Amino acid sequence: GAVVSQHPSRVICKSGTSVKIECRSLDFQATTMFWYRQFPKQSLMLMATSNEGSKATYEQGVEKDKFLINHASLTLSTLTVTSAHPEDSSFYICSAPRTGEGFGYTFGSGTRLTVV
Amino acid sequence: AQSVTQLGSHVSVSEGALVLLRCNYSSSVPPYLFWYVQYPNQGLQLLLKYTSAATLVKGINGFEAEFKKSETSFHLTKPSAHMSDAAEYFCAVSETAGNKLTFGGGTRVLVKP
Repeated sequence: GAVVSQHPSRVICKSGTSVKIECRSLDFQATTMFWYRQFPKQSLMLMATSNEGSKATYEQGVEKDKFLINHASLTLSTLTVTSAHPEDSSFYICSAPRTGEGFGYTFGSGTRLTVV
Repeated sequence: AQSVTQLGSHVSVSEGALVLLRCNYSSSVPPYLFWYVQYPNQGLQLLLKYTSAATLVKGINGFEAEFKKSETSFHLTKPSAHMSDAAEYFCAVSETAGNKLTFGGGTRVLVKP
């Protein structure tokens, strides 16, 4: 089945540094990637939508200069948290939609970011 | 705008008992509805989905859900809970195939031996 590989699974970084999270679609082309953020014991909140070859669309309240999203190819989308602060600590999950007969969404395994 | 409400942030059931998780949605168009399960520090696994075919949808691990348009509901059930069912469950809606998913607040299921 369709797989989205997300890396790293866990990362600890110091305040002020940047962290890049990658999501790769392994056996299908992901023209769109949704990026979600999940705080402990809470639901998933959509941060932004990336589309291959165009600028990402950010949800209201999400700082586009802080959360840089790049969709470089049909199989790779990245989220870079720039100048990270402790309040950016969260669980980040990517998801690629699949249309057609097997319509659905494939989720990455998530990245636990801890900023110290 | 679409939205999803899951009644009960926590549900506790005994092993072997019925599991019932409630989900109500609002959507301006016939929706696509999903139930996902999440284990700690993991991504989401699809349990089942409704895409305007049969209103009673069967999923993995013995779960099923019934789409009731008149009630705008998509409740998830499992006849007999297993210890491995202890997890967080999310109901989600999409108004267009391939468009963004909107998630409910989640329901954490605890299974007592």
